[in-house]
Amino acid sequence: NAGVTQTPKFQVLKTGQSMTLQCAQDMNHNSMYWYRQDPGMGLRLIYYSASEGTTDKGEVPNGYNVSRLNKREFSLRLESAAPSQTSVYFCASRNRAGGGTEAFFGQGTRLTVV
Amino acid sequence: SQQGEEDPQALSIQEGENATMNCSYKTSINNLQWYRQNSGRGLVHLILIRSNEREKHSGRLRVTLDTSKKSSSLLITASRAADTASYFCATDFLNTDKLIFGTGTRLQVFP
Repeated sequence: NAGVTQTPKFQVLKTGQSMTLQCAQDMNHNSMYWYRQDPGMGLRLIYYSASEGTTDKGEVPNGYNVSRLNKREFSLRLESAAPSQTSVYFCASRNRAGGGTEAFFGQGTRLTVV
Repeated sequence: SQQGEEDPQALSIQEGENATMNCSYKTSINNLQWYRQNSGRGLVHLILIRSNEREKHSGRLRVTLDTSKKSSSLLITASRAADTASYFCATDFLNTDKLIFGTGTRLQVFP
């Protein structure tokens, strides 16, 4: 059981380039999330998806787009990368039933924008 | 601003001592969760306490929740060097699917 899988694990982009971070879960979860974590800080929610076909903004959505391709996959796209988007990106998933449940996290994508 | 604010930001203790971390939040919640993160890796869920619960135990972990003060605490008893990590609270909002994390406490346990 792989859980939550993120690709790639590392990426270096030049300012202005675009890229898509991929996330897939095999736990049949309804809800999926994208977070960013800057050095020494907590996780900030970028976007989330409560179910296939729906997405909602989190705390820091500017500069990002997302696609909930199907129940398994939730991708995060940077259309024009900026140095301020240098961060570690985490994807998470869970089933939100019975008042909330624990989230399962991927191992992260370390992105550097130069 | 983030929903959860934690204190202290950093905590250093000796093995065998207890570690207490606090989390405050701003709005009504379904539940509050605590997670652990080792060295920038993915977060791992530790314990969940629902809004109608006041205290919960799991092994060496004890969590309290005071909804009137909008605060929670995580107590790790008899700490071990392997408990060295960052600990985050996360609030599960009412009526949405948002899960918002706090700023975290970095715990260092010295052998």
